[in-house]
Amino acid sequence: GDSVTQMEGPVTLSEEAFLTINCTYTATGYPSLFWYVQYPGEGLQLLLKATKADDKGSNKGFEATYRKETTSFHLEKGSVQVSDSAVYFCALSMNDYKLSFGAGTTVTVRA
Amino acid sequence: DSGVTQTPKHLITATGQRVTLRCSPRSGDLSVYWYQQSLDQGLQFLIQYYNGEERAKGNILERFSAQQFPDLHSELNLSSLELGDSALYFCASSENSGSRDEQFFGPGTRLTVL
Repeated sequence: GDSVTQMEGPVTLSEEAFLTINCTYTATGYPSLFWYVQYPGEGLQLLLKATKADDKGSNKGFEATYRKETTSFHLEKGSVQVSDSAVYFCALSMNDYKLSFGAGTTVTVRA
Repeated sequence: DSGVTQTPKHLITATGQRVTLRCSPRSGDLSVYWYQQSLDQGLQFLIQYYNGEERAKGNILERFSAQQFPDLHSELNLSSLELGDSALYFCASSENSGSRDEQFFGPGTRLTVL
């Protein structure tokens, strides 16, 4: 079935460091791809999305590009802040509309 | 604030009991989704309703059921509860039912089964 694999955490960084979280997917067709973020004690929020190959999603300094050839959707941010500490989920959606999530990556940014 | 509300925020109950979780979608959203987040299974899709009708089913146990009412709010019923049902249950809503539609998540209901 359709699935998402993302790098395991936890990831600990210093402020202003570069962040990358790898995400690859397996799907029978061409899914829409998403990154969601979950701050401590809160629900999930959509961070960015891409709905077709070569699309780049971006928001709050985060970016991810839909790469069909490598079935990947890696999340990057050039300079993280303490407020970026959260759990990040990669997800895909096919024609059945449900979101299939990766296991989540916990990111901690130290001042 | 996503605009999706869930009640109650916390629920503590005993094995064998039945509980009902409630979700109100964002104004104008027709689709409601239920997800379960647990330490061992991660985030898993349970079920989707669109405008009152069941649209898709995921890894939902037979002991669990859901419905969406004419005012579009939804309830998830969990019965014969087991310790393993302890989890965070999220409701999400979207405007329609397309794979490109953004789903907006509520804050979740934390269920603890003792």
